[in-house]
Amino acid sequence: QKEVEQDPGPLSVPEGAIVSLNCTYSNSAFQYFMWYRQYSRKGPELLMYTYSSGNKEDGRFTAQVDKSSKYISLFIRDSQPSDSATYLCAMSAGQAGTALIFGKGTTLSVSS
Amino acid sequence: SQTIHQWPATLVQPVGSPLSLECTVEGTSNPNLYWYRQAAGRGLQLLFYSVGIGQISSEVPQNLSASRPQDRQFILSSKKLLLSDSGFYLCAWEFHLGQGIAAADTQYFGPGTRLTVL
Repeated sequence: QKEVEQDPGPLSVPEGAIVSLNCTYSNSAFQYFMWYRQYSRKGPELLMYTYSSGNKEDGRFTAQVDKSSKYISLFIRDSQPSDSATYLCAMSAGQAGTALIFGKGTTLSVSS
Repeated sequence: SQTIHQWPATLVQPVGSPLSLECTVEGTSNPNLYWYRQAAGRGLQLLFYSVGIGQISSEVPQNLSASRPQDRQFILSSKKLLLSDSGFYLCAWEFHLGQGIAAADTQYFGPGTRLTVL
């Protein structure tokens, strides 16, 4: 079983839809969870960062962590064509020297 | 503010030719730096990381090498490129987020270099 699993998609939605992107993981030591957004031919940019379980909201984006299920989600409300990108989850156990483990990314396309 | 640069942005090289990709960071000192390769459908593959000048750790055996000649400079090289070296190469530096128990190290990425080996 891979440490981090993420459905590659592609996921296609109409403008205004609510989008749910998900990752599952196997390492119960992970406590720090991040979402990156990567536009085509660009480097990934950090979108959201969450520590441990719970929700975090930033504008139209909500990151949710369920450590008991080893499952994290990113919700995008009122999706826009500019949200079309690949979204990568990443996580770590947080101790000094531990690696950041990335999912393979989900490609999202929002049509106008 | 911190900025990370990579060049060239795009490169097309014949098989067997050498390679040199450069990454530089501004606005920080003694950063931990990383090289990744991103191939279609394969996600981010960590290649090398460095915690300081002259200190390189290799994650995957291959025909690539890395060097850190200066504190804020990280170079990825190859003596002879293979077709399988094609991909999107990303440099990243480690950034400390949060405070207290919620503090963690995350990474900020450069713009990348798209390498095509023909």
